[in-house]
Amino acid sequence: GAVVSQHPSWVICKSGTSVKIECRSLDFQATTMFWYRQFPKQSLMLMATSNEGSKATYEQGVEKDKFLINHASLTLSTLTVTSAHPEDSSFYICSAPTSSNEQYFGPGTRLTVT
Amino acid sequence: AQSVTQLDSQVPVFEEAPVELRCNYSSSVSVYLFWYVQYPNQGLQLLLKYLSGSTLVKGINGFEAEFNKSQTSFHLRKPSVHISDTAEYFCAVLINTNAGKSTFGDGTTLTVKP
Repeated sequence: GAVVSQHPSWVICKSGTSVKIECRSLDFQATTMFWYRQFPKQSLMLMATSNEGSKATYEQGVEKDKFLINHASLTLSTLTVTSAHPEDSSFYICSAPTSSNEQYFGPGTRLTVT
Repeated sequence: AQSVTQLDSQVPVFEEAPVELRCNYSSSVSVYLFWYVQYPNQGLQLLLKYLSGSTLVKGINGFEAEFNKSQTSFHLRKPSVHISDTAEYFCAVLINTNAGKSTFGDGTTLTVKP
């Protein structure tokens, strides 16, 4: 089946620095990818839709200048958390839909900002 | 807009007992329905899906779900659970025209006790 990978799986960074998270579709092409944020014991909150070759679409309340998304190829989307603060600590998950209306999720990235 | 309600936030059950995790949805148009499982610090894994056809769908790990259009429900069942089924379970709906953007329920924590 389709596989989506994320890198890194976990990262610790200092407050004020930026962190980049990669999401790759390994055996299929994804013109669209989704980025989610998940707080402990909560559901997934959609942050933005990443579109290959065009600007990302952000959900209401998500700061596009803080969460930079780039979808440079049909298999790679990146999320950069700029000037990270402790409140940005969370579990970030990406997903990619297939033509058969399924979504394949990455394993997630645990971000801890100290 | 569509919404998903998972009626139980936590479901404790003893090993080898049957379990049902409830999911109701609301939508003004036809939807596709999914159940995902999430183990600690991991991404989501698809358990099963309803796209069309038979309303009883079977998934992995012995789970099944029944789509009930009149009651707008998609409850997940397993006749005999194992300790390894302890995880978070998410119900999700997808509108065909929504470019793969799913709406998730808040999740149900299934805890299987020995």
